[in-house]
Amino acid sequence: QQQVKQSPQSLIVQKGGISIINCAYENTAFDYFPWYQQFPGKGPALLIAIRPDVSEKKEGRFTISFNKSAKQFSLHIMDSQPGDSATYFCAASWGDSWGKFQFGAGTQVVVTP
Amino acid sequence: DADVTQTPRNRITKTGKRIMLECSQTKGHDRMYWYRQDPGLGLRLIYYSFDVKDINKGEISDGYSVSRQAQAKFSLSLESAIPNQTALYFCATSVSGTESTDTQYFGPGTRLTVL
Repeated sequence: QQQVKQSPQSLIVQKGGISIINCAYENTAFDYFPWYQQFPGKGPALLIAIRPDVSEKKEGRFTISFNKSAKQFSLHIMDSQPGDSATYFCAASWGDSWGKFQFGAGTQVVVTP
Repeated sequence: DADVTQTPRNRITKTGKRIMLECSQTKGHDRMYWYRQDPGLGLRLIYYSFDVKDINKGEISDGYSVSRQAQAKFSLSLESAIPNQTALYFCATSVSGTESTDTQYFGPGTRLTVL
């Protein structure tokens, strides 16, 4: 079973809108939560990541919100652009996971002009 | 990213055939991983290696084997391919000992179809 549950599976947003992707986890040992972005025909690439000692991290138009008590974290894409159309994966790892990750199922985001 | 290359990029094969997927990296990373990606399931870890002498099974290793021929090369083999191994396969690398341990660098993927 997937240790990191991601939703929605897909979403369509208009240019300039906000895209929100949610992830939930059960394993309280997780201590690192990255988001990977994957364009068609390419491998995933790290987009932004957060550790549970902060509740929010922002990089440009991308923001991670983290709720430790609810065991949830989300990615917000502000002012979505057509170039943001991609598949987004949340992931989680833990202190002695030695670089291994549990990935969510992925969300396909389509930004319409 | 040309730093992690995978060959072939596409492969169609028949049930029962032996297949090898190859991964090479010029990043100088010591850790290498093989994942498969299936729609609705995300990325699942098949095998991982932390150095040439270290090979470990991931969550879905049945039906697969790997070889770490050198620090820069990590191959995935399907000894007898079956249709449910049809998937997109990714190799990834990471480096130990620094904060960037937490970043994995993926190759472009190999699309494998087993008929």
